[in-house]
Amino acid sequence: RKEVEQDPGPFNVPEGATVAFNCTYSNSASQSFFWYRQDCRKEPKLLMSVYSSGNEDGRFTAQLNRASQYISLLIRDSKLSDSATYLCVVNGANDYKLSFGAGTTVTVRA
Amino acid sequence: EADIYQTPRYLVIGTGKKITLECSQTMGHDKMYWYQQDPGMELHLIHYSYGVNSTEKGDLSSESTVSRIRTEHFPLTLESARPSHTSQYLCASSGDRGIYEQYFGPGTRLTVT
Repeated sequence: RKEVEQDPGPFNVPEGATVAFNCTYSNSASQSFFWYRQDCRKEPKLLMSVYSSGNEDGRFTAQLNRASQYISLLIRDSKLSDSATYLCVVNGANDYKLSFGAGTTVTVRA
Repeated sequence: EADIYQTPRYLVIGTGKKITLECSQTMGHDKMYWYQQDPGMELHLIHYSYGVNSTEKGDLSSESTVSRIRTEHFPLTLESARPSHTSQYLCASSGDRGIYEQYFGPGTRLTVT
């Protein structure tokens, strides 16, 4: 079983729409959770950390559900520039190594 | 923006050649990582280091080797390149104790002919 599983999508949404997607993780002892964004043929870039209480950064909202071991990302008022692959990332217990999901592709159309 | 650099950005090389991919960071991070990623596929950790003179193999078996003689420098070497080594290689680093987020360099796109 993969450590991090994501719906690969693609999610095709019009500009201004709201899009949300989840990922699940297998290690119940994971302590740190992130969403990264990766544009085509570029390096991953940290989008936001995910905290137990949920957190928001502008149009992006991340939630963590430890009981069910899933993380969600919601994008409001989608922009064309939000088109990318979003990587769900968790660490192992007491471990600086990160496990990356395969990514969810989002395409925002005009 | 993360201060982590990789050279070369693109490399096309023939089978059997020895290559070294360079990775440097100026953030003073003690932890550094190498990932391999094929187009449209997920990242796989191939090597990591938690400090000078410390290197470990990652989750994906790789014929490459790494060294960590200086904090800021984490080069990856392939002694004899093969077409199966064609991929993108991404270097990353992370910092202080208790800080887990990693910052990536721009990657080296390697093609072995």
